Formats: sequence, C-alpha cells, structure tokens
Amino acid sequence: DTAVSQTPKYLVTQMGNDKSIKCEQNLGHDTMYWYKQDSKKFLKIMFSYNNKELIINETVPNRFSPKSPDKAHLNLHINSLELGDSAVYFCASSQDPTGLGNTQYFGPGTRLLVL
Amino acid sequence: RKEVEQDPGPFNVPEGATVAFNCTYSNSASQSFFWYRQDCRKEPKLLMSVYSSGNEDGRFTAQLNRASQYISLLIRDSKLSDSATYLCVVNGEYGNKLVFGAGTILRVKS
Repeated sequence: DTAVSQTPKYLVTQMGNDKSIKCEQNLGHDTMYWYKQDSKKFLKIMFSYNNKELIINETVPNRFSPKSPDKAHLNLHINSLELGDSAVYFCASSQDPTGLGNTQYFGPGTRLLVL
Repeated sequence: RKEVEQDPGPFNVPEGATVAFNCTYSNSASQSFFWYRQDCRKEPKLLMSVYSSGNEDGRFTAQLNRASQYISLLIRDSKLSDSATYLCVVNGEYGNKLVFGAGTILRVKS
C-alpha cells in the first residue's frame, strides 16, 4: 500500500493555466506538507497543515493555494502558472506537527513543467 | 549564509570504500538533525536521525558537533546501492519546520 500518494505524477501545461495537484496519506498522520524541489535540487517547504489547519505558510506567491478537506488529504491549486513554477512538488506527512520528532514520509512527487 | 550547507560532490568511490560527508548549519538553536536519502527521480526517505552522542545504523554512522555546528555521515564498505543523493536536514530558525540541504551526490562504482 502506498503511504503517501500524489496525482498526477507528471503535469505539462501552458503558462497562464490553472492546475491542481492532489495528495493523500493513509498513515493516520495529523500533519501534511507541500515542498517544492527546483532544478538546483533544493527542497523547500511551502505549506504545512495540522489536522486541516494551516500552520506553516512560507513566502509563496498567493497564486498557490493549499486546501485540506480532511487530515488525510492536502491538495495544491496553482493559478496563472508561470515558467518559474516548473519543479517537482512533493507532498509529505508526519505525526508530529513540527515534523521534528517524527519521520516525514514523502509522496513520489509531481513533476510540473510549464511551457 | 545558507541555513544548511553541503558539498554537492559528486563523490565517486569504489565499492568497499569508506566515505564521509559533512554538513554545516547556521541556526545554533537547532535541536533536530537528520540524514535523508534521495534516489534519482524519487522522493526523499529518512536514512537516520542524528543524536547528540552520535549513532550508528549498520554501515552508517552519524555524528553531531554542536560547537562547530556541523553533522557528518560516514558510510563504511560502500555498496553500489548506496549511490544516491544524501540530504542533510535540520530544524529551521523558528523551530517548526525542517530545512533541507541541497544534497551530496554519492556514486559508488564497481
């Protein structure tokens, strides 16, 4: 069974479009995250939700809007896509809301290419 | 200064070699330290946590030097399957998130 799953795995789209990435975890964790890994391989946190509530919101353009319908799901909607949004987006989850005391489990990633 | 800095490598080593990576961090108040492993085009996975007294897991040994603000990972008897990017991870300035280094690439060759 996949612990953290994301869809789609690949996303190729035109500039200006709006797209969504979905994430689900079946680990029973309370906390979920979105990370962005750019071409230089830096993995940076974007958002974190604990039990459906936003707890971390990094300096991310407001074109990015996370939504957590329940604690097992955290979706990411991106409006007006730009070339610089091209990256791999990873969803992750952990039991601990800070992610410090417990392992963070990552999804397989969504490779977004904006043309 | 970056919050977490690593030598990007690549480190090219023969099978059976011992290899060590270092990582430095800027937040002196950091309390949590980890090494994650990321295979090519895959997600990061926890390799091991790093404890103050140092810890070992099979062929892997992690050390923490708080005074100098660096952590290390030693891999003994390298296997081909150890080829990956090793990410140094530390909790960030405000303590409530993890900060990932850019990773050190290891290539083990036969």
